[in-house]
Amino acid sequence: DAKTTQPTSMDCAEGRAANLPCNHSTISGNEYVYWYRQIHSQGPQYIIHGLKNNETNEMASLIITEDRKSSTLILPHATLRDTAVYYCIVRTQGGSEKLVFGKGTKLTVNP
Amino acid sequence: NAGVTQTPKFQVLKTGQSMTLQCAQDMNHNSMYWYRQDPGMGLRLIYYSASEGTTDKGEVPNGYNVSRLNKREFSLRLESAAPSQTSVYFCASSALSGTSVYEQFFGPGTRLTVL
Repeated sequence: DAKTTQPTSMDCAEGRAANLPCNHSTISGNEYVYWYRQIHSQGPQYIIHGLKNNETNEMASLIITEDRKSSTLILPHATLRDTAVYYCIVRTQGGSEKLVFGKGTKLTVNP
Repeated sequence: NAGVTQTPKFQVLKTGQSMTLQCAQDMNHNSMYWYRQDPGMGLRLIYYSASEGTTDKGEVPNGYNVSRLNKREFSLRLESAAPSQTSVYFCASSALSGTSVYEQFFGPGTRLTVL
């Protein structure tokens, strides 16, 4: 699975959009981009995933660049409860289902 | 549905003691996983079970054994605990959903301290 690079920490004002970047320059054609988050030592929680098209669900939007070497997770209206560590993971679909976690980005949403 | 449950929530062991961490899921998932998370670090895979009756090593399997007792349950055993195994242990499960998402569902974790 390809490695990812994320900023160590970010801050965001409550109610504003939080844009979390992820670089995955060595991603291969059959690898998906997954995002999970971990709130205060709880178990990680799945947010969203994508291959090459932009994706949106009730939690967030995922924007993947055309060359697929980077992506951005967007929380459109961040709340205090979105304060968490966000992990960007790239992996193949099917076959090995293992997730390889890096250190992620600690997002702090401020009132 | 309870999702993924883990017992115990907390445990303190002395070096050399043994214990088993229990994990169960009620989502009829085929795959189950054990991860550990050290302070300030991401999760690292210890062992996983792609289906009932199979287990495979992950990134950090040394010092651990696992048993996939049935489709619901996946236990992690420390035969002779060491201080380096002080960590938070997470169990997870997954299955291929209708949208082809291998979403993993995580339990609340077991916080283990080895003195």
